[in-house]
Amino acid sequence: SQQGEEDPQALSIQEGENATMNCSYKTSINNLQWYRQNSGRGLVHLILIRSNEREKHSGRLRVTLDTSKKSSSLLITASRAADTASYFCATDKGDSSYKLIFGSGTRLLVRP
Amino acid sequence: EPEVTQTPSHQVTQMGQEVILRCVPISNHLYFYWYRQILGQKVEFLVSFYNNEISEKSEIFDDQFSVERPDGSNFTLKIRSTKLEDSAMYFCAISTGYYGYTFGSGTRLTVV
Repeated sequence: SQQGEEDPQALSIQEGENATMNCSYKTSINNLQWYRQNSGRGLVHLILIRSNEREKHSGRLRVTLDTSKKSSSLLITASRAADTASYFCATDKGDSSYKLIFGSGTRLLVRP
Repeated sequence: EPEVTQTPSHQVTQMGQEVILRCVPISNHLYFYWYRQILGQKVEFLVSFYNNEISEKSEIFDDQFSVERPDGSNFTLKIRSTKLEDSAMYFCAISTGYYGYTFGSGTRLTVV
């Protein structure tokens, strides 16, 4: 698989449930970021976790990072219909250009 | 958090025509990027621009592409002779360092 691959590809849950999305990557990273994209719209930065961090919280979001397994997870607690979107992880290897390598994303559907 | 404005939001062009996509970051930043997303696919890095020159470009960014920051404010992506496969969403982004990236809302380019 390529750098930054998410699973599942699609997830359907009921409002109020928790949603967990996973991301795996291949090379060493400086940080890993999660983004949300509503259908046909722009990318919204959700959270950034650095390679020396293991867990980070932001509101209903919880991100973990396991550099030994080269994986990260995004947990959305108490989901709402408005959380329906595609979620992408993106890795920053920390090279000179700080470019991001995106995964293929998880499409989340939260049913009201 | 700084905002990034992209214009136009949607552009339809004939194959072989030149297009210029524009990006205006409100705040002054050092790192600028262009990414693209073909419908239903992952976001792909095109080019990074630092200190008024290209710092890195991907294989996608061939001779038909060019970037400029002509007046120190606008940041443009030019596609000289568009092809059908250039149809995609094009995102401008700025690096905000600790807080990750800020992406523009994108320009949907349709080549007919």
